[in-house]
Amino acid sequence: QSALTQPASVSGSPGQSITISCTGTSSDVGSYNLVSWYQQHPGKAPKLILYEGSKRPSGVSNRFSGSKSGSTASLTISGLQAEDEADYYCCSYAGSSTVFGGGTKLTVL
Amino acid sequence: EVQLVESGGGLVQPGGSLRLSCAASGFTFSSSAMSWVRQAPGKGLEWVSGISGNGVNTFYGDSVKGRFTISRDNSKNTLYLQMISLRAEDTAVYYCAKRGRSGGYYFDYWGQGTLVTVSS
Repeated sequence: QSALTQPASVSGSPGQSITISCTGTSSDVGSYNLVSWYQQHPGKAPKLILYEGSKRPSGVSNRFSGSKSGSTASLTISGLQAEDEADYYCCSYAGSSTVFGGGTKLTVL
Repeated sequence: EVQLVESGGGLVQPGGSLRLSCAASGFTFSSSAMSWVRQAPGKGLEWVSGISGNGVNTFYGDSVKGRFTISRDNSKNTLYLQMISLRAEDTAVYYCAKRGRSGGYYFDYWGQGTLVTVSS
């Protein structure tokens, strides 16, 4: 099972919006609306920020939103804040397995 | 409050074995599917293995199939990962993660991780 494809890095200024793409195949992202997104700060465990494409767990800011088109899922963060600087990972159900993206480092300028 | 506490990591020689444990609390463990996810130093997340709530169904990533065994003891609220024939590329922080409610295909809680180093 190959990893999902994410850009290695993205950046934005405070207050701006950024979008991180996550490209899979017809065996994972393209076949299921079961993409989740995780935020990971250095030295910390990952934290769930979106599941089933666009649903937010309780306590997660509505500045985080998700969408999907074909085999590509996207995470959008609006109103960037300094604390959003972190690594972001997408993840998809893939039948009898689970596959993560390679991760995207978000830098808030 | 949901808590997942991993233990059992450490330094092991190539070809060696190790068993990781994850003590769970704050939720109905026997009803929750669980997984192990690892992260090599400076690298991304990699799903390793998953198990159903009753322990009947188990799943493995291609890189560990045949070498790692996931299991659970619902009477002790504990998840395990038995690792044999360890390789340098297995060096990583290993996280225990809880699947979402009603078997949702996402991980809503994670442990703090335990470091496994495979080196001579």
